[in-house]
Amino acid sequence: DADVTQTPRNRITKTGKRIMLECSQTKGHDRMYWYRQDPGLGLRLIYYSFDVKDINKGEISDGYSVSRQAQAKFSLSLESAIPNQTALYFCATSDWTGGAFYTQYFGPGTRLTVL
Amino acid sequence: AQSVTQLDSHVSVSEGTPVLLRCNYSSSYSPSLFWYVQHPNKGLQLLLKYTSAATLVKGINGFEAEFKKSETSFHLTKPSAHMSDAAEYFCVVRSSARQLTFGSGTQLTVLP
Repeated sequence: DADVTQTPRNRITKTGKRIMLECSQTKGHDRMYWYRQDPGLGLRLIYYSFDVKDINKGEISDGYSVSRQAQAKFSLSLESAIPNQTALYFCATSDWTGGAFYTQYFGPGTRLTVL
Repeated sequence: AQSVTQLDSHVSVSEGTPVLLRCNYSSSYSPSLFWYVQHPNKGLQLLLKYTSAATLVKGINGFEAEFKKSETSFHLTKPSAHMSDAAEYFCVVRSSARQLTFGSGTQLTVLP
């Protein structure tokens, strides 16, 4: 979805390096998410944010940190990258229609390789 | 806790034949369920979502899914596969007020 952009799209780095993945959205959504995708495991939630002052850990937050710089920007950092963080990373945003149902919109993904 | 199980990691069909991708869910209350599709080198796109208004949900590109509470299933179907349907499909359940839980995915191959 062109309304959610991720940079970089591909990154190769070395063990121990600090890496930042950036996400921007023009959908005007308050809620933003970071996921990682590994083959056979589906997507797993790393962190999520419901507004600039609301940051929450997801299922697999160890080794990651995030920053919500503005409503439209949500960054994911790997303070000291390790090889098992090699994965495809997705940013997503969601609206809130009230009640139980909402839709998440995904960016194109960032393929990260840690050597 | 809410969870989903996609029963097939890979499905192959011939072009023009029906598609069936199976998903079972586990939920302690009435679930919110979704199907997403991921084309190669693309992000995920919502196909359809179950909102409890109707058990048969129609989505984009001719896909539909039927919510069956008695079978705890939410299978995705399409009457006639097209080459462009080749992708990975994810069944998803809302696991809390704030989170979604994804299935492990089903890779659909469409043979000419």
